[in-house]
Amino acid sequence: SQELEQSPQSLIVQEGKNLTINCTSSKTLYGLYWYKQKYGEGLIFLMMLQKGGEEKSHEKITAKLDEKKQQSSLHITASQPSHAGIYLCGADIRTDKLIFGTGTRLQVFP
Amino acid sequence: EAGVTQFPSHSVIEKGQTVTLRCDPISGHDNLYWYRRVMGKEIKFLLHFVKESKQDESGMPNNRFLAERTGGTYSTLKVQPAELEDSGVYFCASSQSRDIQYFGPGTRLTVT
Repeated sequence: SQELEQSPQSLIVQEGKNLTINCTSSKTLYGLYWYKQKYGEGLIFLMMLQKGGEEKSHEKITAKLDEKKQQSSLHITASQPSHAGIYLCGADIRTDKLIFGTGTRLQVFP
Repeated sequence: EAGVTQFPSHSVIEKGQTVTLRCDPISGHDNLYWYRRVMGKEIKFLLHFVKESKQDESGMPNNRFLAERTGGTYSTLKVQPAELEDSGVYFCASSQSRDIQYFGPGTRLTVT
């Protein structure tokens, strides 16, 4: 069964718009990682969240982890074409290996 | 500091042939991971090395896959003989202790 659900699967937004990507786990998370992938490239680390209620921001991207440590969101403010790519959440459930969601493909048009 | 590197970037082989993928982790990273993404599916864990020892190989699909990390530096993943369902993108990642995993660009394997 899918342990990590990511939504939406695809997102097309106009430049300048805000957007949110969600990641939900069926298990309590030890850590939640957000990565971004561009076509033909590897996964670029964005942020890591470990504490319930934690929130981190980098430039125009904010990630949050809920108090129960089962749900995370990634919010992009004033999206730009450079934000386009595939966003992946990866969960650490105390096993060292990461479990990934299926990813969200983001397209930003002018 | 150089990131995780993988070679080759793309490999096309025929069913039944052998392919060896290589991963060079970030210098000083004892932990090395292999993951795989088959088309339309999520990225899945294959195995985890701590230095030269296999810590967890629970994700290895079958005995056609052999991973090694001699000397605790670079790692190789051999598929022999390759099957059609082995096609996908193979990612390598490395980390220091229980920390952020940094991923390489991946090797796209196509088995025809």
